[in-house]
Amino acid sequence: KQEVTQIPAALSVPEGENLVLNCSFTDSAIYNLQWFRQDPGKGLTSLLLIQSSQREQTSGRLNASLDKSSGRSTLYIAASQPGDSATYLCAGKMNYGGSQGNLIFGKGTKLSVKP
Amino acid sequence: NAGVTQTPKFRVLKTGQSMTLLCAQDMNHEYMYWYRQDPGMGLRLIHYSVGEGTTAKGEVPDGYNVSRLKKQNFLLGLESAAPSQTSVYFCASSSPGETGELFFGEGSRLTVL
Repeated sequence: KQEVTQIPAALSVPEGENLVLNCSFTDSAIYNLQWFRQDPGKGLTSLLLIQSSQREQTSGRLNASLDKSSGRSTLYIAASQPGDSATYLCAGKMNYGGSQGNLIFGKGTKLSVKP
Repeated sequence: NAGVTQTPKFRVLKTGQSMTLLCAQDMNHEYMYWYRQDPGMGLRLIHYSVGEGTTAKGEVPDGYNVSRLKKQNFLLGLESAAPSQTSVYFCASSSPGETGELFFGEGSRLTVL
């Protein structure tokens, strides 16, 4: 059974610092891996999607990488800002029995960026 | 520019009552999902659908039923609500395959007394 783990569960950094959020998964049979942001009381907003054939994706100050062989993905945030404070979740889209229906989520890393 | 819309956004039920959550998407996505999010448990998949007229069970399907009569709509039903079903429910949709990015609704907060 696929498991997705995010460590640490919480992270506090000063404004301006570059940081890395980690996501590990146990089964390399994924179609893609997606990073989300969730603000309190809100839904999940997609940040980046990395296809299984890709190594990384970039959007602005965000860069996500995927290494299927080691079962790891990282989300790099450059020059962090207080507005980046949120919970960040990763999810792997699985291919079980020919069905692409299931995504497995990590429990998230709660990021706090202090001014 | 609606994306994924969930109704209602808030609901309070008494134990044993029934209700239906409605999810609508305007992106012509094949796949739709219902998740619940609970503190310390993360997001867990309840049911999903890979196309109109199809449904499948996820990780925690017991106590819920779903229907996908139209491609754009995915309904989640609680026939006899229990306090354990107090949660925030999220609907999502995506296209199939590697490029299928998942889009979420804003959530529906359900309290069962």
